Order: sequence, then structure tokens, then C-alpha cells
Amino acid sequence: EVQLVQSGAEVKKPGESLKISCKGSGYSFTSYWIGWVRQMPGKGLEWMGIIYPGDSDTRYSPSFQGQVTISADKSISTAYLQWSSLKASDTAMYYCARRGSSDYATWFDPWGQGTLVTVSS
Amino acid sequence: EIVLTQSPGTLSLSPGERATLSCRASQSVSSSYLAWYQQKPGQAPRLLIYGASSRATGIPDRFSGSGSGTDFTLTISRLEPEDFAVYYCQQYGSSAWTFGQGTKVEIK
Repeated sequence: EVQLVQSGAEVKKPGESLKISCKGSGYSFTSYWIGWVRQMPGKGLEWMGIIYPGDSDTRYSPSFQGQVTISADKSISTAYLQWSSLKASDTAMYYCARRGSSDYATWFDPWGQGTLVTVSS
Repeated sequence: EIVLTQSPGTLSLSPGERATLSCRASQSVSSSYLAWYQQKPGQAPRLLIYGASSRATGIPDRFSGSGSGTDFTLTISRLEPEDFAVYYCQQYGSSAWTFGQGTKVEIK
């Protein structure tokens, strides 16, 4: 079974750093792009960026460029999303999701269960 | 950036009724790059439709997608109790993905 399992909920203070993870299993991790999606409380889905673990090629949404860093460690089939200095406005649920393997397969399936990040003083 | 606008914002229907959800793009989208997702409270989104009209694995045939260019539609032929949820369309273009703001299908 193809699965993405994300790290647990985090509670942080403004200015702190954070790295959350997304571990893939049941497929060749290096052959599929992994995307990250933000969902602020009560709001819709926002694409943040995407990484190809095979060569770490990474693309960012202009809205998130410079605000977060996406990385991957293919040796442990895990992708990461990190912040160097959190803000209260980073409070949200964050999902990772796998993109299809071919050029035309631009949908995301499956999705991780989500990681809730709360930033509060 | 291509903007996707979904309508209506909320759809109030009864079980057994037909639901028609719209997704309009600010510029033409390749049908291959248009997908629909369902999200229930407290759950991650689930892929329903890809390539504008292909059902994902395990999705019941009461769900169907259609459209091309700038206008796409998700139709649920007969609403089941488990179909009441929020639905998002998503497109890919110019190395970026965007989502619509969502349509909530609620029980009338």
C-alpha cells in the first residue's frame, strides 16, 4: 500500500524554527514528486512547493518562496518542510502529497494525514 | 498564475439529489491537468477525478467530471450521506499548481 505518514502536531513560539516530515512507503520514493500544501484554519488548500527526491529538484510557489525550505533524504524516504523563524500566521495544517509519475500526471494522490502547526506566544 | 473560481460557495441539497459543482479558470487549462478532490472535516483531501474526467481508483461512478478550456464541472448524480463535504478543483500550469477556493456540499 502506498502511504505517506507525516510527523506529529507541533506547538511553537514565534521566531522558533521547525522541520516537519513526510515519510513515503510502498513505492519507489525517488521516482515521484512530493508536494506540500497549506490549509489555514477554516480555509482552502494552497500549494506551497514540490520536490523530486531523486535529484532534489525543488520548485516553490511564489507565495512561499523564501518563506520555507523543502528538502528530502532519499536514504530514508522522507521529505521535509522547514521554517527558520515561525510567525503566528504560519499556524495551519500542512499536508504532503505524492504527484503522479509521468509528465501529465499532475494530480496528488495519496495525501499524508497532515501535520498541525500552531505558533503562539 | 491561473486562478480557479468555484461556484457556488455552498450547495444545500438532500440525499438522493444531483449536485453540480463548477470550476472556472482565469485562462485555458489543459484537461489533462485538471483534478477534483473531496475533503471531509478532520481528514486529508482525497483525489476523486483526474484529467478532468477520469475517476480515481475506488471512486464510485456517481461521481463524474467534465469540461474543457476554462469551464469544468464535477457532478454527483445522487448524493449519498457520505458525499456531504468540501470539494476542490486543482490545476497545473507553468510549473505551478493552484486550487479553487472550494464548494461545500451541505445537507438541506
